[in-house]
Amino acid sequence: LAKTTQPISMDSYEGQEVNITCSHNNIATNDYITWYQQFPSQGPRFIIQGYKTKVTNEVASLFIPADRKSSTLSLPRVSLSDTAVYYCLVGDMSGGYQKVTFGTGTKLQVIP
Amino acid sequence: AAGVIQSPRHLIKEKRETATLKCYPIPRHDTVYWYQQGPGQDPQFLISFYEKMQSDKGSIPDRFSAQQFSDYHSELNMSSLELGDSALYFCASSLSPGANYGYTFGSGTRLTVV
Repeated sequence: LAKTTQPISMDSYEGQEVNITCSHNNIATNDYITWYQQFPSQGPRFIIQGYKTKVTNEVASLFIPADRKSSTLSLPRVSLSDTAVYYCLVGDMSGGYQKVTFGTGTKLQVIP
Repeated sequence: AAGVIQSPRHLIKEKRETATLKCYPIPRHDTVYWYQQGPGQDPQFLISFYEKMQSDKGSIPDRFSAQQFSDYHSELNMSSLELGDSALYFCASSLSPGANYGYTFGSGTRLTVV
C-alpha cells in the first residue's frame, strides 16, 4: 500500500506562499500523486496531479523529487478562502485495481 | 460543466431503518467510488465499481451493499442503520480506475441516524 504522511495542521498569513509536503515512501512505479482540497461539508476538489519533476496550473505547483518518495504542494499568495484540508493521494495498485486511500490531511488555516 | 450528482443531499433515518444513496457520475465516466466521512474524520474508502462490476472493496460493513447500473449510476444501500453510520457519504467518478486520472467528487449526502 502506498501510504502517505502529511503534517496535521499549518498556519499561514494571507499573501504568503504555503508549501505542504507529503511523504510516500512506498510509491509504486506507475502511481501518480494527486492533491485534493476539501472545505467543511463539501466533497474533495481536485487541485493538481503529477508524476515527477514539477507541474504547475493556475492554482498551485507540485514539486516531486527524482526518487518520488515525497511531494510538495505549493500555494502561492494564499487568501482566507484557501483555509481548508489538503489531501495528498497516491494510487494504490493492490488487488489489481487501483483504489485511492485518503490519509490524514493537512488542515491549513490562513490568518488575516 | 457536468459534475457528479448525489441524491439526496440530506437524509434522516431512524435506527434499524434502511437508506439508499444515489450517485450519477460525470457523463462517460465509467468508474464510481464511494467514501464515508465521519465528523472530523478523513474520508474512508468503501467500495468502487468499474464498468458495472465491483472493482475494489474497502471498509464497507456487511450491512451495506452497492451496485452500478447500466447507465453507470450507482446506489449505496444501507440496512439496519446504526447511530455510527451518521456521516457524509461521497461519491466520486473517474474515466478509468485509479487516481492517475483524478477523481471528481460529488457534494455528498449527509446521513443522520437518530
